[in-house]
Amino acid sequence: GQQLNQSPQSMFIQEGEDVSMNCTSSSIFNTWLWYKQEPGEGPVLLIALYKAGELTSNGRLTAQFGITRKDSFLNISASIPSDVGIYFCAGQLDLNNDMRFGAGTRLTVKP
Amino acid sequence: NAGVTQTPKFRILKIGQSMTLQCTQDMNHNYMYWYRQDPGMGLKLIYYSVGAGITDKGEVPNGYNVSRSTTEDFPLRLELAAPSQTSVYFCASSYSVLAGAQYFGPGTRLTVT
Repeated sequence: GQQLNQSPQSMFIQEGEDVSMNCTSSSIFNTWLWYKQEPGEGPVLLIALYKAGELTSNGRLTAQFGITRKDSFLNISASIPSDVGIYFCAGQLDLNNDMRFGAGTRLTVKP
Repeated sequence: NAGVTQTPKFRILKIGQSMTLQCTQDMNHNYMYWYRQDPGMGLKLIYYSVGAGITDKGEVPNGYNVSRSTTEDFPLRLELAAPSQTSVYFCASSYSVLAGAQYFGPGTRLTVT
């Protein structure tokens, strides 16, 4: 099956620092998504990318859909304590296929 | 609107016991999904439904059953609980099969001992 490799597994950063995480796949996806999960909650969609090369922002978050369609990255600028959580990437090949999820990047922000 | 609600929040089962995880959505979404999330892993799809009366298997359906008698409800049944089913279970609903359209519930943490 399609595997998504997400890195890093965890990050410990100081408030105000920028964060970068990425997701790679051995096969192509035509949709890439980034979710955030906080303790005791379900994942919440942050950014959806539907076109190779697309760069999309949502406030301090920016995500890009890789040209090869096998990778995506998420950047968070000027991190704040409420950015703490687990960030998941997900990919979907087409509407006839399920979403596949990465294992997540656990972000800790120290005030 | 409550969105997607799941009950119970936590449950401990003994091996061989059965239980039903409840999921309800009030957004009139046709599509509903059940995922499991194991420690340090991404979500894996168990079953999904495209509308009342229609269900289909996802990536990891073994050991589970579902039904969809109404648009609102999509219960997940474990008949003979096994330790391998210890996980956090998430229900989701969406108005479209388009990835990114899914709204997730808060999850049910299940431990089988």
